Amino acid sequence: DTGVSQDPRHKITKRGQNVTFRCDPISEHNRLYWYRQTLGQGPEFLTYFQNEAQLEKSRLLSDRFSAERPKGSFSTLEIQRTEQGDSAMYLCASSPDRGRHSPLHFGNGTRLTVT
Amino acid sequence: QQQVKQSPQSLIVQKGGISIINCAYENTAFDYFPWYQQFPGKGPALLIAIRPDVSEKKEGRFTISFNKSAKQFSLHIMDSQPGDSATYFCAASLTDSWGKLQFGAGTQVVVTP
Repeated sequence: DTGVSQDPRHKITKRGQNVTFRCDPISEHNRLYWYRQTLGQGPEFLTYFQNEAQLEKSRLLSDRFSAERPKGSFSTLEIQRTEQGDSAMYLCASSPDRGRHSPLHFGNGTRLTVT
Repeated sequence: QQQVKQSPQSLIVQKGGISIINCAYENTAFDYFPWYQQFPGKGPALLIAIRPDVSEKKEGRFTISFNKSAKQFSLHIMDSQPGDSATYFCAASLTDSWGKLQFGAGTQVVVTP
């Protein structure tokens, strides 16, 4: 399978704990995006990388959130001191940089439940 | 503030019928309007997209109609099939940040046999 891979698929954690998610984009896709989707809503943009550079962060991404993409390959999204409001599906997407509007390819997400 | 408003929230259509989903946007600088299809437990997948310089785009049973002056666009699913049962999201983005999609809230479509 050469699609976007996310791990884990599900994560249950207690409030106050730290969690980390991983995303492996489609190889040779140099753009990588993180979105968050809550129940009954569309995905919301969080941040994106071009290669290893994080180029934009949404104001939704509080100081408790940090994302990295070392060497421009896989990416990690860490949430520190989780809160119940962080419960959501975290989606990763990648795209080639072939000009405007190259389609985003989404992974199947990591569903986070904070108890 | 939701920049893309989508309706209806849900719809039920019989097999062979037409499903119509509408979206409206505020930002006239948006210049890319994709539709995504999402099945339970899966990530969204690009279905079809349109630029504002055309009024209609058709791919198989899926058609986007675009009305630039009204700032509205819609998805028509012709000859709906049970396999089309999914949640559909419209979205919009700007030229300079085309991967930063503004999604609508989604429409859950159920196609009955």
